[in-house]
Amino acid sequence: DAKTTQPNSMESNEEEPVHLPCNHSTISGTDYIHWYRQLPSQGPEYVIHGLTSNVNNRMASLAIAEDRKSSTLILHRATLRDAAVYYCILRDLYNTNAGKSTFGDGTTLTVKP
Amino acid sequence: NAGVTQTPKFQVLKTGQSMTLQCAQDMNHEYMSWYRQDPGMGLRLIHYSVGAGITDQGEVPNGYNVSRSTTEDFPLRLLSAAPSQTSVYFCASSYRPGQDSYEQYFGPGTRLTVT
Repeated sequence: DAKTTQPNSMESNEEEPVHLPCNHSTISGTDYIHWYRQLPSQGPEYVIHGLTSNVNNRMASLAIAEDRKSSTLILHRATLRDAAVYYCILRDLYNTNAGKSTFGDGTTLTVKP
Repeated sequence: NAGVTQTPKFQVLKTGQSMTLQCAQDMNHEYMSWYRQDPGMGLRLIHYSVGAGITDQGEVPNGYNVSRSTTEDFPLRLLSAAPSQTSVYFCASSYRPGQDSYEQYFGPGTRLTVT
């Protein structure tokens, strides 16, 4: 399975942008990049996903490197409610290994007031 | 939609006891998975299913059994509980690949303590 690598922790100030990096150097051509976050004492929730092009939604933006070996989740204005563990995972679009999605330890984001 | 539901929310077992953690989803998702999360750690995949009647092992399957007789339900059975299985268990579901929005939806978790 293709794996991802993320920093263990990051800090941000409230109302400032946050860039959360993820390396996935062994990504295959049919792997989608998914981001999830886990608020304290809750199950993970979907944030955003993409294949090749940069993506935006109401929660965040996803910037994907041209060679697809890395990506960055961008929170444009961090709030205290964004403090969470952020996971970057790969999900294969075209075969049943998409069912075998594995999570790493993620990045713990601390937002300071 | 209720989404992904898990029961019970909390459970305490003695070593050697068996039990079944229940997971159900009402979104007609083909894919379902079980993860465990130990304190301060990420999620590790236990078992997963790509449709009714089809299951496979994840990263840490030992000590757990699953079956998938319906699309909606995916129970996880602990055969003989051990203290090392103390963890929070999350169930997740998604559409199959190729369908739009095949992100995973997670349940609220079951906190299991084995003494």
